[in-house]
Amino acid sequence: GDSVTQMEGPVTLSEEAFLTINCTYTATGYPSLFWYVQYPGEGLQLLLKATKADDKGSNKGFEATYRKETTSFHLEKGSVQVSDSAVYFCALPSGTYKYIFGTGTRLKVLA
Amino acid sequence: GAGVSQSPSNKVTEKGKDVELRCDPISGHTALYWYRQRLGQGLEFLIYFQGNSAPDKSGLPSDRFSAERTGESVSTLTIQRTQQEDSAVYLCASSSRQGASQETQYFGPGTRLLVL
Repeated sequence: GDSVTQMEGPVTLSEEAFLTINCTYTATGYPSLFWYVQYPGEGLQLLLKATKADDKGSNKGFEATYRKETTSFHLEKGSVQVSDSAVYFCALPSGTYKYIFGTGTRLKVLA
Repeated sequence: GAGVSQSPSNKVTEKGKDVELRCDPISGHTALYWYRQRLGQGLEFLIYFQGNSAPDKSGLPSDRFSAERTGESVSTLTIQRTQQEDSAVYLCASSSRQGASQETQYFGPGTRLLVL
């Protein structure tokens, strides 16, 4: 069945460091892929998405490229800020309406 | 505009009691979802509403769990005879189109349930 595997956290970085959070997936066909972010005390919100292979989703300095050959959708940011501290979830649609979410990766950025 | 709201934000209950969790989706959103997030785990799909009907209840963990939606708006998730393993954050999400998994889901802040 469809699945998402996400790197475990927590990830602790200094401000301005480079961030990579790995996400790989197993899916039937080529679904859209999503990254959601959950800031402390808030609900999940969409960070970025890519709808087909080789697409790059980007938002707020974050990027992720839909790589069909490696079935990956790794999240990257060149220079993290303290305000990026949050939990990040990789997700893919499964079937008509379901989403499958990864376990989440907690990022802590130190000033 | 207003996002998805959930109440209560926190609930502490004793084992064996019933609890009711509420979700107010974004106005006009026809699709509504409930998820459960246990500590250290990913989101677990519970149920999906298309309008007021629930075509898929397969994620509900047991018959102690039930949900309803009225007026294509507010939804309530009821857990009867709560058990300690029910402790989790219960998340509600809505999206503007039904049956369209490619649509962005908008999440509420969740209800944190603790069963003692």
